[in-house]
Amino acid sequence: GENVEQHPSTLSVQEGDSAVIKCTYSDSASNYFPWYKQELGKRPQLIIDIRSNVGEKKDQRIAVTLNKTAKHFSLHITETQPEDSAVYFCAAAHTGTASKLTFGTGTRLQVTL
Amino acid sequence: DGGITQSPKYLFRKEGQNVTLSCEQNLNHDAMYWYRQDPGQGLRLIYYSQIVNDFQKGDIAEGYSVSREKKESFPLTVTSAQKNPTAFYLCASSVGTGGKYTEAFFGQGTRLTVV
Repeated sequence: GENVEQHPSTLSVQEGDSAVIKCTYSDSASNYFPWYKQELGKRPQLIIDIRSNVGEKKDQRIAVTLNKTAKHFSLHITETQPEDSAVYFCAAAHTGTASKLTFGTGTRLQVTL
Repeated sequence: DGGITQSPKYLFRKEGQNVTLSCEQNLNHDAMYWYRQDPGQGLRLIYYSQIVNDFQKGDIAEGYSVSREKKESFPLTVTSAQKNPTAFYLCASSVGTGGKYTEAFFGQGTRLTVV
């Protein structure tokens, strides 16, 4: 089955700096890669996703890049703000079969003033 | 609020008891999922269902059971065979398979504690 590894497990940045979280996946058939943000005590919510036919996607301060050859994808947050502090999860799925998401272990991002 | 509701929010179980966690969605989604969240281990898949009256084991199904008698409902039973059930349980739903949009929407979670 699919295996997703996520690094780092914790990340502390100063407000205004950039943050990068990296994930690798094992199943070359995976074609859908979402990123979820989970604030303390709340449910995970989708912040951005990318499909295997696209190399990069951007939404305001958030961007995701995908390297299919290396089976690697990354989340980039620019101009970080205190409200970006949360746990971020990457995930992978093959939408043509089960569509079930396999998650990474999460990155706790702390944005300090 | 998201169209997927879990209850209760907090649940306490005595050792040896079975407990059932409720998950209901009104998003008309075909697929539903149960995940377990432990600190430092991300979300691990317990069971999933792609269609009514059908479900498959996920990565950590031992000690759990599910049913999918209605499209809207996917209850999870934590049985006494589950040796370490204290965790945060998240239910999710998505449109389904076959190349459809696969965003998963999560419920607010149930925190289960064994006392």
